[in-house]
Parts: sequence; structure tokens; C-alpha cells
Amino acid sequence: ETGVTQTPRHLVMGMTNKKSLKCEQHLGHNAMYWYKQSAKKPLELMFVYSLEERVENNSVPSRFSPECPNSSHLFLHLHTLQPEDSALYLCASSQDRVSTDTQYFGPGTRLTVL
Amino acid sequence: AQSVAQPEDQVNVAEGNPLTVKCTYSVSGNPYLFWYVQYPNRGLQFLLKYITGDNLVKGSYGFEAEFNKSQTSFHLKKPSALVSDSALYFCAVRLGGSQGNLIFGKGTKLSVKP
Repeated sequence: ETGVTQTPRHLVMGMTNKKSLKCEQHLGHNAMYWYKQSAKKPLELMFVYSLEERVENNSVPSRFSPECPNSSHLFLHLHTLQPEDSALYLCASSQDRVSTDTQYFGPGTRLTVL
Repeated sequence: AQSVAQPEDQVNVAEGNPLTVKCTYSVSGNPYLFWYVQYPNRGLQFLLKYITGDNLVKGSYGFEAEFNKSQTSFHLKKPSALVSDSALYFCAVRLGGSQGNLIFGKGTKLSVKP
């Protein structure tokens, strides 16, 4: 898992807080992704970046704001979250968005919203 | 629309016995199929993928999967299960030749008992 790192690994925040999740990939990839993993549900794709440009936003509420300053780093800025946003947030990267490319995942950030 | 089904929420196997984790898919074209494993409090780890060619794909940790086009299945198998194989397994599909996203199944929890 050293190819894709995520910080922090655990985060507890109140509904009025502002926090950010960080993802860094050391694989030289051009595409990066944010996923949400909730219990008993399939992984939900949130955002896709290709060459630092957002190419997909899957109807994610505006309280989640992604940022991709360069091809190695991806952030997810959080503000005024709801308790139902508590989940494991996973970052992934792939060489490009070619359909044969494998996505490699980070360890995730376990988010709890009180 | 693309979809993936993992019909079993949980599979229980005795150590040393063969294991199978089932996956069926639905895509309107040639599928690219992936298996990932997730250990507790970790991200998803790539196991193997089918793109084209030999229907039997070998992957990490002794796992293999067989692509069956007529049955639209891509079951994950291992000849002899280890206790350390206990984890959550995800099947995913992507439409070949596109920049479409990975669609994940809900996951199957594998429990291997000594």
C-alpha cells in the first residue's frame, strides 16, 4: 500500500467543522479517484481527475469539495457534513483512464461525523 | 447499463479446502473484469484482471478466476484456502474500450476456519 498513501487514517469531526483528506500517489499515474465506502453498500465513485482536471463528479453534495493541485496529490475538503457521511473514504490512482488500467487504492480514511 | 452481482454475502470454508467466490456481470459489450481484496481497516488490493485471451487468469496469493462468457461469470477460486485469506472480496467490471468507470459488486466476506 505504499504506492498510494492517505492521511489521516482516522478522523472524527463535528457537523460544523472543516477538515481535509489528503491522498498522495507515488506511482507516476495520471488519473486519481475518490470513492466512498459505506457498510453494506457497493463502493460509490465520487470524483475522477485526469491530468489534474476533474472529469467526473457523480452528483456529490457540495459539502464535499475535491482539489487536485498536481498529478500526485488529491484532496477532499469537507465542511458542514452530516452523520450519514460517516464512511471509509478511499483514494485510488491509475496510469490513465484507459479501460484496461488497474486502479490502485490507498488504505482509506475512516471518517466519523458526530 | 453495467452491473455486477456477488450473490453471496458470506462464504465459509475450512482451511485447506478449495474456495469459490462468485461474480456475475452485465455489460453491453466486451467486459474487463477485476477482483480486489480488502483486509480489515485497509484499502482494496488488486488481485487479478481479465482483459482478453486465456479465460483462466492467475493472480496474487494463489488466486485465479475463470471468465465464462456464456454464463457471464468471473468466479474467484483458490485450490486450498488459508486462514489468512479471510477478508472481503470485491468483483468489478468495466466496459472494454471505453473510459467508463469501474462498477463494483457489494462484496463477499470470506471466512476461513482452521
